[in-house]
Amino acid sequence: SQTIHQWPATLVQPVGSPLSLECTVEGTSNPNLYWYRQAAGRGLQLLFYSVGIGQISSEVPQNLSASRPQDRQFILSSKKLLLSDSGFYLCAWSWGGDGEQYFGPGTRLTVT
Amino acid sequence: SQQGEEDPQALSIQEGENATMNCSYKTSINNLQWYRQNSGRGLVHLILIRSNEREKHSGRLRVTLDTSKKSSSLLITASRAADTASYFCARFFYNQGGKLIFGQGTELSVKP
Repeated sequence: SQTIHQWPATLVQPVGSPLSLECTVEGTSNPNLYWYRQAAGRGLQLLFYSVGIGQISSEVPQNLSASRPQDRQFILSSKKLLLSDSGFYLCAWSWGGDGEQYFGPGTRLTVT
Repeated sequence: SQQGEEDPQALSIQEGENATMNCSYKTSINNLQWYRQNSGRGLVHLILIRSNEREKHSGRLRVTLDTSKKSSSLLITASRAADTASYFCARFFYNQGGKLIFGQGTELSVKP
């Protein structure tokens, strides 16, 4: 069976510090991968998606970036965090096809 | 904007009652999906309805889709306290990396 992991679960970082969130998928190969951000009480905002190693599409211009160094690894990064980067970050994967997505447990990021 | 609207934003009912959530959108879709999110957790896929389908059932869930009105509804019958969660509709686009665009969600509270 397939499993998706995210870490860390929670993170408190000062403004201006760097960020690295990691997502890995087990039990499948060549998945589509997605990063979302969810503000409190709101819907999900798609940040990045990837259909293969090294292939990243950005949905929202911002100070975040994403990379896919391995088939089942997706990393969200920032060189300098802003207060507005606080939120709940979710990683998801899909096989493609009809697009049903499977979500990780999320990372709660608080920028202070 | 590709985002749509969901209503109501919040819904409070008693156990045993039915809950209906609505979703409207603006652009053509390939399919529409409904997800559930328990507080502070990742999303879980509930049901998918394709653009050429009008109604679909899964257990106590019933989803309808009206492409002429660009709207969908999710009905949960005989609700239980465990159904308390946020529910999101998401529009799927094949030709855009298989991405989902989520609505803002309906927060459902089922009181025992």
